[in-house]
Order: sequence, then C-alpha cells, then structure tokens
Amino acid sequence: NAGVTQTPKFRVLKTGQSMTLLCAQDMNHEYMYWYRQDPGMGLRLIHYSVGEGTTAKGEVPDGYNVSRLKKQNFLLGLESAAPSQTSVYFCASSYPSGGRETQYFGPGTRLLVL
Amino acid sequence: GNSVTQMEGPVTLSEEAFLTINCTYTATGYPSLFWYVQYPGEGLQLLLKATKADDKGSNKGFEATYRKETTSFHLEKGSVQVSDSAVYFCALTVNTDKLIFGTGTRLQVFP
Repeated sequence: NAGVTQTPKFRVLKTGQSMTLLCAQDMNHEYMYWYRQDPGMGLRLIHYSVGEGTTAKGEVPDGYNVSRLKKQNFLLGLESAAPSQTSVYFCASSYPSGGRETQYFGPGTRLLVL
Repeated sequence: GNSVTQMEGPVTLSEEAFLTINCTYTATGYPSLFWYVQYPGEGLQLLLKATKADDKGSNKGFEATYRKETTSFHLEKGSVQVSDSAVYFCALTVNTDKLIFGTGTRLQVFP
C-alpha cells in the first residue's frame, strides 16, 4: 500500500515550456486535490476532483489544467510555465465526508521555472 | 470568508520544554479543525483533528481543544523532542472537503 505517490520529485522548466505532474493513489479514494505551497502562504488549492471524470477549480486555478481519467490518477498540467509557478506541488486524496475525514498527502513535487 | 490564523515562527525550544502553537479561525457555520505536520522533505500528514466544539484531539503527545467561544484550536505538547522539529499547519473545513490552511509554524527543537 503505497498511499499517494507523485511523479516527478523535482523538475526544472524554462518559461513557456509545458509539463504534466502525475498523482496516483491506491486507497480507492473518491476525492483528489492539487495544492501549491509557497513560503509564508501555506497551502492553496489549485483544482480538485470529486470522482472519475470530474474536475473543479480551487482557489488558484489560473495557468493550470487537470484531468481525472481514472479514479486512481489525477494529472496537473502546465501548458506554458511561468516563473510565478515556481512552487512545491502537493497532491492529496480522501473519502467524501463533508470535511471530517483526513486528507492523505503525497511527498510533493518541487518545480523551478526559470 | 473562512480563514485560519497561526502564530508566526519559527518557534525555538529546548528539548523537554512545553509547546504551544496558537491557531484561531473565522468560519461561517460549524467547521472541523485539523493540525497537520510536515517533516523536512516530506508531505503533510494528519496530526490530530476535532469535529465539534469542546472536542479534544490528541496524538503522539500533542493535544488541541476545539474552543468555539474563543474560535481557537491551539496545539500543545508537554515535553517536546528533537524529532518534533517540523512545520505545523492548522486547517479547517466547513461542510466541504476543501481544506483551508494557515500559513504554517516552524518548530525547531534543540537538544
């Protein structure tokens, strides 16, 4: 039982390049989330999904796209990377519970955009 | 709107000292409250939670009590260890599964 895994662990991009971050969970969770973590700002929700084939915007969705083609995977895409997207990205998953249950986090992806 | 305010860090303590990290919240409705911990180089993991007023969450010697009257959820530990050095995040949800985080408080414990 690996929990939540993220690929890659670290990536350097040039401005304008694109990339996809992969999140996978083996806990059969319905809900999945993408957050970014920036110094002094805590974690902020980018996009989330309440089930296979569904996605929704979070607090800071601009410049990102997501897809949930399979229940266990949640992909975060950057079509044209900008230096402002330099951050640490965390994926999480959970059961639906009205907010009472734990979210399980992956180890993070550190992205540097030059 | 809903928000979480944490004390700024870093909090620097000697081993076996008493720890308090303050957390207050603003919420419409009745939130569930969480403390998550992030050890160096790792993702966040749940430390403890409380889902209604006066509940006390506890884990690994840490405690926090949901105080509706003061809208607070302060984290405490009676005797910290070097291994407790980490960043601690207070968070809430209000009738949804979307977590709202505080900015985090870094704890440094020295032997």
